[in-house]
Amino acid sequence: AQRVTQPEKLLSVFKGAPVELKCNYSYSGSPELFWYVQYSRQRLQLLLRHISRESIKGFTADLNKGETSFHLKKPFAQEEDSAMYYCALTQGGSEKLVFGKGTKLTVNP
Amino acid sequence: GAVVSQHPSWVICKSGTSVKIECRSLDFQATTMFWYRQFPKQSLMLMATSNEGSKATYEQGVEKDKFLINHASLTLSTLTVTSAHPEDSSFYICSVSKGSGYNEQFFGPGTRLTVL
Repeated sequence: AQRVTQPEKLLSVFKGAPVELKCNYSYSGSPELFWYVQYSRQRLQLLLRHISRESIKGFTADLNKGETSFHLKKPFAQEEDSAMYYCALTQGGSEKLVFGKGTKLTVNP
Repeated sequence: GAVVSQHPSWVICKSGTSVKIECRSLDFQATTMFWYRQFPKQSLMLMATSNEGSKATYEQGVEKDKFLINHASLTLSTLTVTSAHPEDSSFYICSVSKGSGYNEQFFGPGTRLTVL
């Protein structure tokens, strides 16, 4: 079965420091990978997807099929980046999302 | 995007009663909606896929007779927790999909259910 692993429950960095949120997946096919974010008191929303190869709010994520990883990175964290981040995947052709357990990022001033 | 609302935002009920949660797609006609459950400090777990005009597809381990899903229109799906018990207390979240090929889901704000 497909699985998404986010090894860090909590991650704390200082403003301006680089940040990397780790995500590994297990799936035998070709998944589509996503990062969703939930800011305090807000609903879950899409941050970025691997297929778009875009940078959103300074965040990027590269799909590494060899390492089955989709780590989220930002070179200079901002306080407003503090949120809960979920890595997720869909299996080929399906719309069903499988979520990781999430990483709570705290960016300290 | 798509705007999704849920009602109620929170509900407290007695054990044994049934609770209905509504999920509305306000600006998009959704043929597919999803229902998730999130326990405290845990991830979202997909419960079922709600298909307009047909029966919902439940994930393994989810009791379809306990969690009744009705998707009678393109803008409304309802989740009814029947004969609720304290272990059903959770955060229930719905999402709307714009269809295959787009693959982004738009989430509602969630409903906090507390069963006493």
